[in-house]
Amino acid sequence: AQSVTQLDSHVSVSEGTPVLLRCNYSSSYSPSLFWYVQHPNKGLQLLLKYTSAATLVKGINGFEAEFKKSETSFHLTKPSAHMSDAAEYFCVVSDFQGGKLIFGQGTELSVKP
Amino acid sequence: DTGVSQNPRHKITKRGQNVTFRCDPISEHNRLYWYRQTLGQGPEFLTYFQNEAQLEKSRLLSDRFSAERPKGSFSTLEIQRTEQGDSAMYLCASSWTQGGNEKLFFGSGTQLSVL
Repeated sequence: AQSVTQLDSHVSVSEGTPVLLRCNYSSSYSPSLFWYVQHPNKGLQLLLKYTSAATLVKGINGFEAEFKKSETSFHLTKPSAHMSDAAEYFCVVSDFQGGKLIFGQGTELSVKP
Repeated sequence: DTGVSQNPRHKITKRGQNVTFRCDPISEHNRLYWYRQTLGQGPEFLTYFQNEAQLEKSRLLSDRFSAERPKGSFSTLEIQRTEQGDSAMYLCASSWTQGGNEKLFFGSGTQLSVL
């Protein structure tokens, strides 16, 4: 069975400082991994997707994530946080069918001025 | 905006009543998914359609839940005899499958409150 574990339920950073949101995955085969963001009253938006082409994946809004098979991790980073980054972030793994997504419990990111 | 549209945005109902939600996917998308999200949790898969065929249903989808996509376009999700535990955000997503590279587009959801 596939699963993801987000290690922090809440992360707080100051504007302009780096962001690190941690995710570990469990999969019996090479997974497809995603990060989604959810702003209040808005739909889930895809930030980035890993599908084995490259271990470092660049996404929208300056976010990137690195796939580390030896650590079964897929952490999300951004060099400098903006106030607009405040939202809920979900680490996601898909099953072999592609569109059936398995979400982590989410990490709420707060950005202080 | 031609994204995924869900109606209503909010629904408040009394326990035991039936409710129906509607999802209009992006027009050329052949797959449509329903997810449920409870407070403080990530979304959970409920069911999905490829065109008009319902291909998979989660064990979360009890007999009180039924979903349809009659013409392979919009979809409805009905909950009969609602219970307080059904209170959640119901999310719809659609995609166009092509060569295994599938990207889901989510709607803003329908927030259900069962009193």
